[in-house]
Amino acid sequence: TQLLEQSPQFLSIQEGENLTVYCNSSSVFSSLQWYRQEPGEGPVLLVTVVTGGEVKKLKRLTFQFGDARKDSSLHITAAQPGDTGLYLCAGNPWGGSARQLTFGSGTQLTVLP
Amino acid sequence: NAGVTQTPKFQVLKTGQSMTLQCAQDMNHEYMSWYRQDPGMGLRLIHYSVGAGITDQGEVPNGYNVSRSTTEDFPLRLLSAAPSQTSVYFCASSYSGVGEKLFFGSGTQLSVL
Repeated sequence: TQLLEQSPQFLSIQEGENLTVYCNSSSVFSSLQWYRQEPGEGPVLLVTVVTGGEVKKLKRLTFQFGDARKDSSLHITAAQPGDTGLYLCAGNPWGGSARQLTFGSGTQLTVLP
Repeated sequence: NAGVTQTPKFQVLKTGQSMTLQCAQDMNHEYMSWYRQDPGMGLRLIHYSVGAGITDQGEVPNGYNVSRSTTEDFPLRLLSAAPSQTSVYFCASSYSGVGEKLFFGSGTQLSVL
């Protein structure tokens, strides 16, 4: 059982559509990060959320950390083919080792032109 | 801007063979780590290091050894490869490893026959 569950696992949409990806857990996290990974490359950090209820925007991407610090979401507005990739959430469970980052299994997003 | 450099990019081994995956970073990061990525499993932490001479186990350490003789290098050793170790391996680094941005290498695709 994954500590961080991501949904959906796969998502294929048309250019211009909006989408939301979810990262859920039964555990509380001190912080959550979102990474994007492209084929043949390592993950690249998009954002870190630290405070419960926090919302961060990165151009067309909006990230939210749940009030209870157990979940997070990533919303993309007007998706573009360049948004295609594997989106991974990662976090440090509250009370766990601060240096052992736990990753979700990822959401594979494909944006069709 | 080299960042985190991993070699080799691809490797095929026979069961029982040994090999070392190399990882080097030029950012003077104290924290370095090794992950493996398997389909549907996200990234799982194998070993990590918080500085030269200091290493610790992650979630899936069995079958792997590490050492950290310098700040720059963090090699991962497979002493006797098994088919279950077929995976993509990523090295990552950060300043202290506590809730910070992880910088990833581009990965090593390892197949054990």
